[in-house]
Amino acid sequence: KNEVEQSPQNLTAQEGEFITINCSYSVGISALHWLQQHPGGGIVSLFMLSSGKKKHGRLIATINIQEKHSSLHITASHPRDSAVYICAAPNFGNEKLTFGTGTRLTIIP
Amino acid sequence: DAGVIQSPRHEVTEMGQEVTLRCKPISGHNSLFWYRQTMMRGLELLIYFNNNVPIDDSGMPEDRFSAKMPNASFSTLKIQPSEPRDSAVYFCASRPGQVLTGELFFGEGSRLTVL
Repeated sequence: KNEVEQSPQNLTAQEGEFITINCSYSVGISALHWLQQHPGGGIVSLFMLSSGKKKHGRLIATINIQEKHSSLHITASHPRDSAVYICAAPNFGNEKLTFGTGTRLTIIP
Repeated sequence: DAGVIQSPRHEVTEMGQEVTLRCKPISGHNSLFWYRQTMMRGLELLIYFNNNVPIDDSGMPEDRFSAKMPNASFSTLKIQPSEPRDSAVYFCASRPGQVLTGELFFGEGSRLTVL
């Protein structure tokens, strides 16, 4: 089973700040997922990446396969970015995802 | 496409009652997953299907839980009898393709409260 760790667990920042959330995992993977969950809401897939970097609007995800580490960055953060961000890595060779415990992000206006 | 559709969105029931949660995956998606989310344990995979066939149900907590996928457009997760510790949000997700990797599309979840 892949062990997935996220940091920080909680993050509060002012609107406009650059945000970084980190994720590390223990077993080599084919792809890593970043998910977003708003309070009381559903889960949205933000990124699935297997190498390098992906960008979607103000969100950027990077992954270093050798170091087994991924980061999610948010530029020019906004209160609507307030949510729980979860990374997930598959166990090698099957479809089961191990989820991190999530990072609760709060952006203050 | 309407996305993954789950029902009911909320259910409150009494211990011992049967609970049935429903999921309609995105049309054309080959894989369907049932997850449970609790404060204590986070997100956990219960079971997943590929082309309507259950592939791995090792995450199903006990015999009280069962899941079916009679066709490509419908799946159910049943709990009988329900217990207070089953209270959680249950998410259904689907994914296109046959490969192990691929973006997951989640439903809005079914929040279950067992009194």
